Amino acid sequence: DAEITQSPRHKITETGRQVTLACHQTWNHNNMFWYRQDLGHGLRLIHYSYGVQDTNKGEVSDGYSVSRSNTEDLPLTLESAASSQTSVYFCASSEGVANTGELFFGEGSRLTVL
Amino acid sequence: KQEVTQIPAALSVPEGENLVLNCSFTDSAIYNLQWFRQDPGKGLTSLLLIQSSQREQTSGRLNASLDKSSGRSTLYIAASQPGDSATYLCAVDSGGGADGLTFGKGTHLIIQP
Repeated sequence: DAEITQSPRHKITETGRQVTLACHQTWNHNNMFWYRQDLGHGLRLIHYSYGVQDTNKGEVSDGYSVSRSNTEDLPLTLESAASSQTSVYFCASSEGVANTGELFFGEGSRLTVL
Repeated sequence: KQEVTQIPAALSVPEGENLVLNCSFTDSAIYNLQWFRQDPGKGLTSLLLIQSSQREQTSGRLNASLDKSSGRSTLYIAASQPGDSATYLCAVDSGGGADGLTFGKGTHLIIQP
């Protein structure tokens, strides 16, 4: 069965360190997204991609970057982790064209920045 | 800017009851609306996707309706079971790409055995 996997599922890091969260999907979807979920804020869009070599900033992109070198993967990098980036991160994918379409989510990566 | 509200924020009902979860949105110009389920410590699972041209979608004991003119969607759960306990979120796609997708904050549902 097609799926979307995230790794690591849990990570603790220190302020200032670089962190990369991996996202791999086997749906062959063109669209991939990164969200963060925080109590009181709900889901907020960080970055997204509509295809290989395409990346776009979302609502809360400061301090994050992504790259899309193939269809399956969209890694999220925190260049210099800050305590405000402690959160649960979700990767999602879809095959929508004119609109986002049905979203499929990974299990999430819980990041703690000390 | 689209705003999505889910009321109530939390709901606790006895097993076996039929229940309705509400989702309202401020801008009726939408492409589709999607309902998700989220279990503790897990990702979101898509339940139903309603296109703007549709009035409702059904999957098993779940039925989602959409009334664009009034900016409302409801998720009806029939004969609730303890396994239905989860947080239910709706997301409205207003088009214009990923920025056009707005999530509600969810309704936390507990089904008492």
